[in-house]
Amino acid sequence: QVQLQESGPGLVKPSGTLSLTCAVSGGSISSSNWWSWVRQPPGKGLEWIGEIYHSGSTNYNPSLKSRVIISVDKSKNQFSLKLSSVTAADTAIYYCARFDGDLATIDYWGQGTLVTVSS
Amino acid sequence: QSALTQPASVSGSPGQSITISCTGISSDVGGYRFVSWYQHHPGKAPKLMIYKVSNRPSGVSNRFSGSKSGNTASLTISGLQAEDEADYYCSSYTSGTTPVVFGGGTKLTVL
Repeated sequence: QVQLQESGPGLVKPSGTLSLTCAVSGGSISSSNWWSWVRQPPGKGLEWIGEIYHSGSTNYNPSLKSRVIISVDKSKNQFSLKLSSVTAADTAIYYCARFDGDLATIDYWGQGTLVTVSS
Repeated sequence: QSALTQPASVSGSPGQSITISCTGISSDVGGYRFVSWYQHHPGKAPKLMIYKVSNRPSGVSNRFSGSKSGNTASLTISGLQAEDEADYYCSSYTSGTTPVVFGGGTKLTVL
């Protein structure tokens, strides 16, 4: 059973950089899946942020592309998210997830971590 | 505003059936059979309940079923149980600028 666990600061100052890591257990990050970040602002729906393959190939949401970097560390079986120049609008629950490209579905999710942007 | 439209809330009594709709457009729900449904109990990891419109992952109760007609997909839960009370989200593959889009979520209340 694949499990994902997000970690990182729960509070980030405006104009700062949000940094989160997702630890993957019960499976290899080098499997044939894309590893994704999804967020949910308070009271709103889910928003796809981006994804990375173990080779390092990435895809980003165009609306966030200029501020997002997703990276992978195969030695630690984890992947990370950096979102720069954050504002209050970036306050959200951030989920890491495994995307099955063949089925076009997220088959495993982390439980999510709330990140608040505030001074 | 989410890309896919879901009702904000639905409710039903134990034992009844409910249906949650998920409406998109021809470049997502209407154009592909890659619609998924997720169950989310707040504070926990969302759980995949349906993929490719009507397929259930191993371990998911057969009380959960999915279908699609045109630009609208549906999740039906039969024999409602108290533990079904949760938020439900749909997603679809899209030919747009992101590989997947989501619905805004539907809160299911079991009366």
